[in-house]
Amino acid sequence: GAVVSQHPSRVICKSGTSVKIECRSLDFQATTMFWYRQFPKQSLMLMATSNEGSKATYEQGVEKDKFLINHASLTLSTLTVTSAHPEDSSFYICSANVPGQGYGFFGQGTRLTVV
Amino acid sequence: AQRVTQPEKLLSVFKGAPVELKCNYSYSGSPELFWYVQYSRQRLQLLLRHISRESIKGFTADLNKGETSFHLKKPFAQEEDSAMYYCALGRGSTLGRLYFGRGTQLTVWP
Repeated sequence: GAVVSQHPSRVICKSGTSVKIECRSLDFQATTMFWYRQFPKQSLMLMATSNEGSKATYEQGVEKDKFLINHASLTLSTLTVTSAHPEDSSFYICSANVPGQGYGFFGQGTRLTVV
Repeated sequence: AQRVTQPEKLLSVFKGAPVELKCNYSYSGSPELFWYVQYSRQRLQLLLRHISRESIKGFTADLNKGETSFHLKKPFAQEEDSAMYYCALGRGSTLGRLYFGRGTQLTVWP
């Protein structure tokens, strides 16, 4: 079946640094991927839609300059949290649409801790 | 504005009992609704979508536009059904762009 993989699964970074999270479609090409954020014991919140070869579409209230999204190939989207602060600590999850199988195939998530 | 409401944060039933996880939505357009399940330490998985009208693992869900509901039901719960269940609303013209409810943690006791 379709697999979406995120890397790393966990990352700890120092406040003020930037961290990149990768989302890969392992056995299919994904022209569209999505990035979500999940706070502890809360629901998933859609952050942005990542479009291959074009700019990402951000949801209202999400800082574009803070959360940089790049979708340079049909199998990879990256989310870079720039100048991370402790309040950016969260669980980040990506999903992708699978041609012919539907959509909403999720990665395993990345736990970001900013210290 | 679109919204998905799952009124129960926690739900417990005994094995063999019927279970219903509630989901209500508000959306000005034509809704596309889903149920996702997350088992312990696993990723989110699609369980059902209203368009397909299928039964997965004994679960069914019917879209009731009059009541704006998409409740998830199973007549006889099993212990392996214990998981976190999220109701989600597809929004906009971009497929896969989802708005999630807060989730319901289902526990099925032996």
